Amino acid sequence: SQQGEEDPQALSIQEGENATMNCSYKTSINNLQWYRQNSGRGLVHLILIRSNEREKHSGRLRVTLDTSKKSSSLLITASRAADTASYFCAPPYSGAGSYQLTFGKGTKLSVIP
Amino acid sequence: DAGVTQSPTHLIKTRGQQVTLRCSPKSGHDTVSWYQQALGQGPQFIFQYYEEEERQRGNFPDRFSGHQFPNYSSELNVNALLLGDSALYLCASTWGGLNEQFFGPGTRLTVL
Repeated sequence: SQQGEEDPQALSIQEGENATMNCSYKTSINNLQWYRQNSGRGLVHLILIRSNEREKHSGRLRVTLDTSKKSSSLLITASRAADTASYFCAPPYSGAGSYQLTFGKGTKLSVIP
Repeated sequence: DAGVTQSPTHLIKTRGQQVTLRCSPKSGHDTVSWYQQALGQGPQFIFQYYEEEERQRGNFPDRFSGHQFPNYSSELNVNALLLGDSALYLCASTWGGLNEQFFGPGTRLTVL
């Protein structure tokens, strides 16, 4: 069954603004990954955050993880038109010994120049 | 260092035909997973290969089968194609199991 759900489904901001996307999942996880997908192309790995980490940074990206609330957020600061894409969180499936990632429908981010 | 590569980029088939998609993992990776992404949806896990064996499988029929070669590259085969098999097929590679998974550019399959 599906694990990760992104919110909002769509987000439109002006260039230079910050964008925040949220992810909720259903069961305990060891880690959670975030990906970006430009229209019709492959997924680009952004960041992996482990269950013992609360926050992680990579360039203009900041990811938080709250295991008590089973939620994560992705913040993109000082957005650029090139950030326009769909963003997915991918927790692993909840089954024992599971290696599969589960994806929601993503958040479609539009950055207006 | 080449990332994950997939071939072909695009493919058009008719109902009932069979198709083979190919994936080469990132250097140093030994595990390959396949995902299907329908238009407007997130990717759905098909199966994962490790040490030339199918380690885990998602909720896909037996028409979907795969193989992993000694050099860790992999193939996805789909038999008796249906219109609903039209999708972007993504390959992802990693090492071990739960580390970062890196995706290839995908193969766009259209079934007419």
